[in-house]
Amino acid sequence: GAVVSQHPSWVICKSGTSVKIECRSLDFQATTMFWYRQFPKQSLMLMATSNEGSKATYEQGVEKDKFLINHASLTLSTLTVTSAHPEDSSFYICSAGTSRREAFFGQGTRLTVV
Amino acid sequence: QKEVEQNSGPLSVPEGAIASLNCTYSDRGSQSFFWYRQYSGKSPELIMSIYSNGDKEDGRFTAQLNKASQYVSLLIRDSQPSDSATYLCAALQGAQKLVFGQGTRLTINP
Repeated sequence: GAVVSQHPSWVICKSGTSVKIECRSLDFQATTMFWYRQFPKQSLMLMATSNEGSKATYEQGVEKDKFLINHASLTLSTLTVTSAHPEDSSFYICSAGTSRREAFFGQGTRLTVV
Repeated sequence: QKEVEQNSGPLSVPEGAIASLNCTYSDRGSQSFFWYRQYSGKSPELIMSIYSNGDKEDGRFTAQLNKASQYVSLLIRDSQPSDSATYLCAALQGAQKLVFGQGTRLTINP
C-alpha cells in the first residue's frame, strides 16, 4: 500500500501553546488529505478534508480557527492546533486518498496538553 | 441511525476458527467499502476494499458485500492471536468522504 508519514508521533505541550502536525504522502501524490481525531475506545471522527491549493472543508462542530489546516503541495498537509487546551488531548490521524478512493493512514500523533 | 454500524463487541474467537465481522450502512448511494484493522495505540491499516456485490478473497480474509441488504462483512479464516485488534468498517460517501463504524474489538484466544 501507499506510504503516509506523519510527524510527530507524540507531543506534550503546555496549555495555550500551538502544535503543528505534518502529514506527507511519500510515494504518491495525494490531491486530498483527511484529518481525523480519535478519543480512547471511540472510532475515528473526521475533522476536515483538505484539497491541495484550496481551503479545507471542516466537519460540523470543528472550529476552523482552532484547527488550522494547510495543504500547500500534493505531498504535504499540516494541522496546527492553536491555543491547545487539555480537552484537545487526543489521537490525531491523517490519511491521504488515492485515485482508487482508498485511504492510507499516517502513524498518528498522540497529543497531550498539560 | 448511525451511517455505518458495527457491533462493538468484544468478539472472542478460538485460534484457528473463523471470525465473522459484520457492518451495515444507511446510505444507498455508497459504492465503495473498506475494512481497516487497528491495533491499540496505532493508526488504522487497510485490509480489504470491496466495490461489487459478492465475495472478494485475499489470503485468509474474505470481504462480502450485499448492496440490496446494505450489508458488508469480513471473514477471517484460521484466526491467529495476531489478528486480535479492532476492525473498522468504512463506507465512501460521495467522492471522498469515508464514514467509519465504531469498530468491533476482536480477540483470538490461543
